[in-house]
Amino acid sequence: SQQGEEDPQALSIQEGENATMNCSYKTSINNLQWYRQNSGRGLVHLILIRSNEREKHSGRLRVTLDTSKKSSSLLITASRAADTASYFCATDATDSGYSTLTFGKGTMLLVSP
Amino acid sequence: DTGVSQNPRHKITKRGQNVTFRCDPISEHNRLYWYRQTLGQGPEFLTYFQNEAQLEKSRLLSDRFSAERPKGSFSTLEIQRTEQGDSAMYLCASSLADRASGNTIYFGEGSWLTVV
Repeated sequence: SQQGEEDPQALSIQEGENATMNCSYKTSINNLQWYRQNSGRGLVHLILIRSNEREKHSGRLRVTLDTSKKSSSLLITASRAADTASYFCATDATDSGYSTLTFGKGTMLLVSP
Repeated sequence: DTGVSQNPRHKITKRGQNVTFRCDPISEHNRLYWYRQTLGQGPEFLTYFQNEAQLEKSRLLSDRFSAERPKGSFSTLEIQRTEQGDSAMYLCASSLADRASGNTIYFGEGSWLTVV
């Protein structure tokens, strides 16, 4: 089963614009992570935010976490064509009985030059 | 250290044949995971090991799927009597689960399976 739900499913923007992707989840979590996947490739870890954190930055990435709403957002500022990829949120849940990540279906981002 | 390594990267097999995928994790990582991903979906958890112990295997899709991690190093995922529905990308990942890393999982490039 998939815990996270990303929104929107697809996003198309121009270079230089900001891209915002949202993720909602259902159960309590230890942390939430965002990954990027280029077509046909493996997933690349972008950023981890712990359940007691509200916001985190890494370069052009900004992640927020609202545990009361069970939601997170990923903001990519000043997007580039090379940011074109699928982006997944993944939750590390406390009550799964084991520690692993559960992924959503992803947001497909297209950045046009 | 070149990250998580998987092979073969691509495998085409006839229905009914057995296939085996190998994963070499990042050397200092104690946890190893197998996921499956189909088109348009996120990765789906299959199983994981902590060192050589397989701590969770209930998510393996059927009894045709099995995984091993002898000596706590590399791992193999075997699919017996393949079916067309097994066509997917099989992803291996590893992590060093500690407080500092928060269990960040690092993925390999995946092994594509096509069953014809």
